[in-house]
Amino acid sequence: EAGVTQSPTHLIKTRGQQATLRCSPISGHTSVYWYQQALGLGLQFLLWYDEGEERNRGNFPPRFSGRQFPNYSSELNVNALELEDSALYLCASRYGTVSNQPQHFGDGTRLSIL
Amino acid sequence: AQSVTQLDSHVSVSEGTPVLLRCNYSSSYSPSLFWYVQHPNKGLQLLLKYTSAATLVKGINGFEAEFKKSETSFHLTKPSAHMSDAAEYFCVVSAYVGGGNKLTFGTGTQLKVEL
Repeated sequence: EAGVTQSPTHLIKTRGQQATLRCSPISGHTSVYWYQQALGLGLQFLLWYDEGEERNRGNFPPRFSGRQFPNYSSELNVNALELEDSALYLCASRYGTVSNQPQHFGDGTRLSIL
Repeated sequence: AQSVTQLDSHVSVSEGTPVLLRCNYSSSYSPSLFWYVQHPNKGLQLLLKYTSAATLVKGINGFEAEFKKSETSFHLTKPSAHMSDAAEYFCVVSAYVGGGNKLTFGTGTQLKVEL
């Protein structure tokens, strides 16, 4: 069974540009979560999508947005990039929304802002 | 309110000695609890999960954790550390809160294994 896949592995941008990160969940998983892991700040919840709808959003500005496609893959868009957006962005998928189901993580996209 | 406290930000052990990573949680609901491991520049890998069945949970790579409701703890242990166990470990609590599922991550414990 293929795990959660994220692309690209690394992304280098400059301030003010826009970045698009992609995530393919495990087959059969309908929920996709996005997290930001910046140095020294731990894992910060960004967005949760389930069945194509945004279900919850973390404490991030509107320039962080995303969507989930009919095949349950997902895209995270970050507009007007700032230096502090440099981080590892992790995607996780889960089977349904039951609380006892664990999330399964991809290896992340390392976003570097110059 | 729901919260997770990982009591040690850094733990250092010698290879072959026991590992103890401590996690306390707070939840108004019946929670599920998870431990994840993260190696450098990798995603989080599920080690084990507690979902209201047996209180002693066995996971991968020789790790286990015991759910103690009276102490609101879910500590992670391993009898004998290996060099490959050096990584960051996250304790996670999951419960239905306010009609929706809420996951809360601990701040992580960095495990160092020395020869």
